[in-house]
Amino acid sequence: GQQLNQSPQSMFIQEGEDVSMNCTSSSIFNTWLWYKQDPGEGPVLLIALYKAGELTSNGRLTAQFGITRKDSFLNISASIPSDVGIYFCAGSISGGSNYKLTFGKGTLLTVNP
Amino acid sequence: DAGITQSPRHKVTETGTPVTLRCHQTENHRYMYWYRQDPGHGLRLIHYSYGVKDTDKGEVSDGYSVSRSKTEDFLLTLESATSSQTSVYFCATTGGSPLAKNIQYFGAGTRLSVL
Repeated sequence: GQQLNQSPQSMFIQEGEDVSMNCTSSSIFNTWLWYKQDPGEGPVLLIALYKAGELTSNGRLTAQFGITRKDSFLNISASIPSDVGIYFCAGSISGGSNYKLTFGKGTLLTVNP
Repeated sequence: DAGITQSPRHKVTETGTPVTLRCHQTENHRYMYWYRQDPGHGLRLIHYSYGVKDTDKGEVSDGYSVSRSKTEDFLLTLESATSSQTSVYFCATTGGSPLAKNIQYFGAGTRLSVL
């Protein structure tokens, strides 16, 4: 089946630093999603990407849909303590397989004030 | 907020007992999913539903069954709970149309401990 490799598994950074994480797939996707999960809560959508090469921002967050359609990355600029959490990438084929998503295993982000 | 409520939020049970988790949505979404989340494994799909009384297996369906008698409710049942089913369970929904753009919305989760 499809697999997503998400890296790094965890990151420990100082407040104010920039963060970068990425996902690579063994299969082509035509949708990439990035979610954040706060402790004790469910994942919440951060950014959705639908076209190869697309670059989309949401405040201090920027994500890109790779040209090969097999990868995506997420950048967080000027990190703050509330950025702490687990970040997941997810990919899918629009309209296929009952709209199922394939998830990466997550990047645990810790921000030291 | 996609109007998804999971109940209970926390449950402790004993090995061999049946357990039912409930997911209720108010968005009239066609598709509903049950995931489990475990350290080192991320989110893994257990079962999903593509309409009332229409369900199918995900990648880790053994030991679980589901039912969907109404659009708004999706139940996950562990017929005889085992310690390996200790996990955090998430329900998710999506509209299932091009406008929904493949985005799944998640509930807050149910933390289940099987002793």
